[in-house]
Amino acid sequence: GENVEQHPSTLSVQEGDSAVIKCTYSDSASNYFPWYKQELGKRPQLIIDIRSNVGEKKDQRIAVTLNKTAKHFSLHITETQPEDSAVYFCAADGNSGYALNFGKGTSLLVTP
Amino acid sequence: EPEVTQTPSHQVTQMGQEVILRCVPISNHLYFYWYRQILGQKVEFLVSFYNNEISEKSEIFDDQFSVERPDGSNFTLKIRSTKLEDSAMYFCASSVLAGGYNEQFFGPGTRLTVL
Repeated sequence: GENVEQHPSTLSVQEGDSAVIKCTYSDSASNYFPWYKQELGKRPQLIIDIRSNVGEKKDQRIAVTLNKTAKHFSLHITETQPEDSAVYFCAADGNSGYALNFGKGTSLLVTP
Repeated sequence: EPEVTQTPSHQVTQMGQEVILRCVPISNHLYFYWYRQILGQKVEFLVSFYNNEISEKSEIFDDQFSVERPDGSNFTLKIRSTKLEDSAMYFCASSVLAGGYNEQFFGPGTRLTVL
């Protein structure tokens, strides 16, 4: 089955700096790669996603890049703000297209 | 904006008891999912459900687990005989489509505590 690895597990940045979180996946049949943000005690919320026919996608301060050959994808957050502090999970849909396989999460702390 | 809802928000039960977790997916969604998240760990897939049958399940989803769509709006997860290790946050999710267009919307979760 699909195996998603995520790094780093924790990330601390100063407000205004950029943050980058990286994920790799194992199943070359994966087509869909979402990123979820989870604040403490709350539901995971989709912040951006990318499909396999696209190499990069941007939404304001958030961007995601995908390298299908190398089987890795990354989340980039620019001009970070304290409210960006949360746990971020990457995921990949795997062969079946139903299950999302999540990485272990990155705890991002943005200090003022 | 429509949201997935779940009840109860917190369920405490004794080991060996049966629990039913309830979810109301977004109304025009066709695919439904259950995930669980043990405290401090990643979100793990349990099962997906489409057209009144299971479309995929993980190794975690053994004979102790079952899912049902008892009516046109609810989607339930039943754990027949709870174990201590079933303690986790259980998230329901739903999506319009699957297979590469799989934007899944998560509910707020039910925290299950097994004593």
